Amino acid sequence: DIQMTQSPSSLSASVGDRVTITCQASQVISSFLNWYQQKPGKAPNLLIYDASNLETGVPSRFSGSGSGTDFTFTISSLQPEDIATYYCQHYDNSFGPGTKVDIK
Amino acid sequence: QVQLQQWGAGLLKPSETLSLTCAVYGGSFSGYYWSWIRQPPEKGLEWLGEINHRGSTTYNPSLKSRVTISVDTSKNQFSLKVTSVTAADTAVYYCARSRGMYCSTTTCPRIAYNYWGQGTLVTVSS
Repeated sequence: DIQMTQSPSSLSASVGDRVTITCQASQVISSFLNWYQQKPGKAPNLLIYDASNLETGVPSRFSGSGSGTDFTFTISSLQPEDIATYYCQHYDNSFGPGTKVDIK
Repeated sequence: QVQLQQWGAGLLKPSETLSLTCAVYGGSFSGYYWSWIRQPPEKGLEWLGEINHRGSTTYNPSLKSRVTISVDTSKNQFSLKVTSVTAADTAVYYCARSRGMYCSTTTCPRIAYNYWGQGTLVTVSS
């Protein structure tokens, strides 16, 4: 089974800050890595697919990069509505443990 | 606009069978994979399994013996059953649709879920 690790597990940043989350796969997964945002009480929302492609309707301040085993998710300018938990995901049961993002 | 609407019993006793259904409104039912994903309280996401319109299934090996996913294409619905539930099965259960069906060397829409149901909290308690 492919295991996904994320860091940090949580972070606090100010509005307007650049926020970066990393995800590492236990095996090479090409660019098949997705990022989701989940707000409390809501279903996850796909933001990035295939490591770097922005899902339709997602603001351009969200971006992703990486391939192989190491991936990065970035919010270029943190907004109050970005408060959420972010998950990386490969296939089947390969969801990362999540990164909780708060406003400082 | 694609919408997934799910329903099922929210309170079960240990050893009972969990049963949820997800109806798909708008868009095609074929050409995608339909998945069930759950989230225990205050925990992360766990993929349970998937099915396509032809009825081809893949399950999470850790739950495979207890999970069954079925499809009713005449109603654009798919369903989840989990047998012999315990308190560890307490979770919010989501149905979800993949972005597509097939993967290539550069893209894998099968494994990205861009439409989700509203979630159903299932509590297992005696």
